Amino acid sequence: NAGVTQTPKFQVLKTGQSMTLQCAQDMNHNSMYWYRQDPGMGLRLIYYSASEGTTDKGEVPNGYNVSRLNKREFSLRLESAAPSQTSVYFCASSYRTGADTQYFGPGTRLTVL
Amino acid sequence: QQQVKQSPQSLIVQKGGISIINCAYENTAFDYFPWYQQFPGKGPALLIAIRPDVSEKKEGRFTISFNKSAKQFSLHIMDSQPGDSATYFCAALLNNAGNMLTFGGGTRLMVKP
Repeated sequence: NAGVTQTPKFQVLKTGQSMTLQCAQDMNHNSMYWYRQDPGMGLRLIYYSASEGTTDKGEVPNGYNVSRLNKREFSLRLESAAPSQTSVYFCASSYRTGADTQYFGPGTRLTVL
Repeated sequence: QQQVKQSPQSLIVQKGGISIINCAYENTAFDYFPWYQQFPGKGPALLIAIRPDVSEKKEGRFTISFNKSAKQFSLHIMDSQPGDSATYFCAALLNNAGNMLTFGGGTRLMVKP
């Protein structure tokens, strides 16, 4: 049981480049989430998918897109990276949205130069 | 604007002491309050959670105290150990169509041996 896995662990981009962060869970969870973590800001929700086939915006969606590829996988895409997107990105999953425990992946540290 | 304010940002406690982290919220519609623990290089993990119909919840050395009228809740770590050194996040959930967790800014706890 790997839980929630994320790739890559580290990434450096130049301004304007694009990339996709991958996330997969093996817990048969219905709901998946993407957060960013910045010092002093806690975790802020970018996008979430309540169930396979649905995606919704979170608190800070601008500059990002997501794809719920199947029940296991939820990817986050940066189309044109900006320095303000330098952050640590976490994927999480839960059985359903609401007061169910969210299980987090190990994170991707992204630097945009 | 952070809807959940957490203090202090950092905390140093001697081994065996009590660590206290406080959170305050504005939205009275929040109805679920979890605490997450994050070790360096790892994703956050659920530590303990409370609903507003109880004033206190205890799990081992960890206790949440909840004051609904003051719109505040706190985490108490009794007999703090060096292994408790981590970053702690409080959060709050609006159980509506969005079901999004709103996190506080985090507290970095160091327990000195």
